[in-house]
Amino acid sequence: NAGVTQTPKFQVLKTGQSMTLQCAQDMNHEYMSWYRQDPGMGLRLIHYSVGAGITDQGEVPNGYNVSRSTTEDFPLRLLSAAPSQTSVYFCASSYSWGSDTQYFGPGTRLTVL
Amino acid sequence: AQTVTQSQPEMSVQEAETVTLSCTYDTSESDYYLFWYKQPPSRQMILVIRQEAYKQQNATENRFSVNFQKAAKSFSLKISDSQLGDAAMYFCAYRSFGGGATNKLIFGTGTLLAVQP
Repeated sequence: NAGVTQTPKFQVLKTGQSMTLQCAQDMNHEYMSWYRQDPGMGLRLIHYSVGAGITDQGEVPNGYNVSRSTTEDFPLRLLSAAPSQTSVYFCASSYSWGSDTQYFGPGTRLTVL
Repeated sequence: AQTVTQSQPEMSVQEAETVTLSCTYDTSESDYYLFWYKQPPSRQMILVIRQEAYKQQNATENRFSVNFQKAAKSFSLKISDSQLGDAAMYFCAYRSFGGGATNKLIFGTGTLLAVQP
């Protein structure tokens, strides 16, 4: 198993550009989520999905969009990038919504100029 | 709302020595999970150890053990026989037992551990 994979590893955007961060898992996990990590803060939940076709907002959803058309993939879209979205983004998955252990991808470092 | 506090931004330990990282949390729930995650320079978040609040026995994973004090809402991580590879940022995290509406993990701000040879 590759586990949770994320692409790209690094990305630089200009303000106003849009892009999609990719996340995939090959463990047949129902639950997937996106977190952002900022200096001096822990990770914060952006969006999550409890299964294909079902998504919902987390703690800091503004400026981000998600969809879940398959069990394996959970892309995160930045609609119009802003410098405040400069961060490291982590995708995580777990077997189900109630599972206690989540597995994280390697992260994407995003810089918005 | 639940909160997690790590009051030690940085710690240092000599190789082969023991170090303890502190974590306190606030919750009104009686059942929950607590975790320690390790984040090395590669950025990968690695689960180190987990503790179920309903278990009185402290969790242990090889050189890593926790001191879980439910009444005090304290969850410290002890690393024995520290190795150079233990150098990393360590995050304490909380999760409601049933997952709550989001199944989200609530993280502390992290403790950066340096291991001196």
